[in-house]
Amino acid sequence: AQKITQTQPGMFVQEKEAVTLDCTYDTSDQSYGLFWYKQPSSGEMIFLIYQGSYDEQNATEGRYSLNFQKARKSANLVISASQLGDSAMYFCAMRDEIRGGNTPLVFGKGTRLSVIA
Amino acid sequence: GAVVSQHPSRVICKSGTSVKIECRSLDFQATTMFWYRQFPKQSLMLMATSNEGSKATYEQGVEKDKFLINHASLTLSTLTVTSAHPEDSSFYICSARYGADTEAFFGQGTRLTVV
Repeated sequence: AQKITQTQPGMFVQEKEAVTLDCTYDTSDQSYGLFWYKQPSSGEMIFLIYQGSYDEQNATEGRYSLNFQKARKSANLVISASQLGDSAMYFCAMRDEIRGGNTPLVFGKGTRLSVIA
Repeated sequence: GAVVSQHPSRVICKSGTSVKIECRSLDFQATTMFWYRQFPKQSLMLMATSNEGSKATYEQGVEKDKFLINHASLTLSTLTVTSAHPEDSSFYICSARYGADTEAFFGQGTRLTVV
């Protein structure tokens, strides 16, 4: 079974500073994908970044980067130059990649990020 | 990018009535869609996997007779909450992906309130 752990219920960061949101995972799958999604108060789920378990380089997407440490089973999200609009709930998720399209995402409990002006 | 549209975004219904929520993939075909439920300040929990042309697969603890899922075409899955009760009040959200190595695209979600 897959499990995602996000130990930070809430985080505060000063505007323009960087922040790291923690995520650890547990799985017996050989091939898996790790995701981060942002959920503002409207409820929509906004995809931020993806890391495949066999990717040797850490994924980056603009101000978002994923610090992937496979041996530690961690996939922390780093947001650089925080903006007020980054205030939202952030979910780490994973998916088994062996079974193709028929696999759902398993989510962590989320971290609420608040950016302070 | 791929778009998943969910309707309605908000619904209020009386206890005992049924509510249908639609999830459409607008520019791709989705043989599989997923339905999640999210209670306030909690995470997304998978309810069921919707498969086009076959029966949905429900997660443990989810009543299949209460949450009816129909995936009649490659672009539409519906979730019907039957005989709704106040405890069914929640945020329901669907997702789909259109290929391997792609992220899951989510609908806008439906906030259901049963009074």
